[in-house]
Amino acid sequence: DAKTTQPNSMESNEEEPVHLPCNHSTISGTDYIHWYRQLPSQGPEYVIHGLTSNVNNRMASLAIAEDRKSSTLILHRATLRDAAVYYCILRENSGYSTLTFGKGTMLLVSP
Amino acid sequence: GAGVSQSPSNKVTEKGKDVELRCDPISGHTALYWYRQSLGQGLEFLIYFQGNSAPDKSGLPSDRFSAERTGGSVSTLTIQRTQQEDSAVYLCASSPGRGPGWPQHFGDGTRLSIL
Repeated sequence: DAKTTQPNSMESNEEEPVHLPCNHSTISGTDYIHWYRQLPSQGPEYVIHGLTSNVNNRMASLAIAEDRKSSTLILHRATLRDAAVYYCILRENSGYSTLTFGKGTMLLVSP
Repeated sequence: GAGVSQSPSNKVTEKGKDVELRCDPISGHTALYWYRQSLGQGLEFLIYFQGNSAPDKSGLPSDRFSAERTGGSVSTLTIQRTQQEDSAVYLCASSPGRGPGWPQHFGDGTRLSIL
C-alpha cells in the first residue's frame, strides 16, 4: 500500500467536531482511501472509504482533496467512545487487497 | 446485525501445544482474512479465503500454521507446536467482496499467550 502520513495524536472536547488529516501525496489514480479505527483491546473497526468524491455515512464524513493527495476524516460530534487510534490507508486496485496499518492518529476526547 | 465472531477471546497455553482459533464471518461475506497483531505493532497478514477458490497462504509465517474454511463460512486457524513468538492477537476479518472498494469487518480477536 502507498504511504500515508498522519499526526501522531490529536485532542478534542466531547460534542465538538473533529477533523483528522491524512496526506497521501503518492496516491495513484485507482487507489481507494480507507479509514479504520481501533479502540483498546478491540479489533479494528471500519469507518469509511472513498475514491474521488466526498462520502458520508452514519459514523463520519470523508473529504477528499481535488488532487487526491490528502483527505480528512470528519467526526461531526465527538463522543468519549470515539477515543481511538485512527488509521488512514490506501488500498491498491490489484487483485484482493489486504490491510496494512501505519502508526495512525491517537484521538483523545475530553468530557 | 451480527458481526464477525471469534473464539476463544483469550487462550493461554504451554509452549509446544497445538491451538485452534475459530472465526464466524458475517453471513454472505465471501472474503475472509486472518491477520495477527503483536503488542504495539501493525497488522500482519496471514491468509486469505475467497469463496471456493484456493486460499492465498503467502502470509503464513511457518508450516506450523494452517487454516481452513468449511462451506465458505466458518474458518479455523491452527497453530501446531506453539512457540513463544506466536503470542499475539489473532484477528479475523470478512468482506462482501475481494477488491479494495470493499470494507473489511473485524472480530475482536483471540489473544494468544504462549507460556
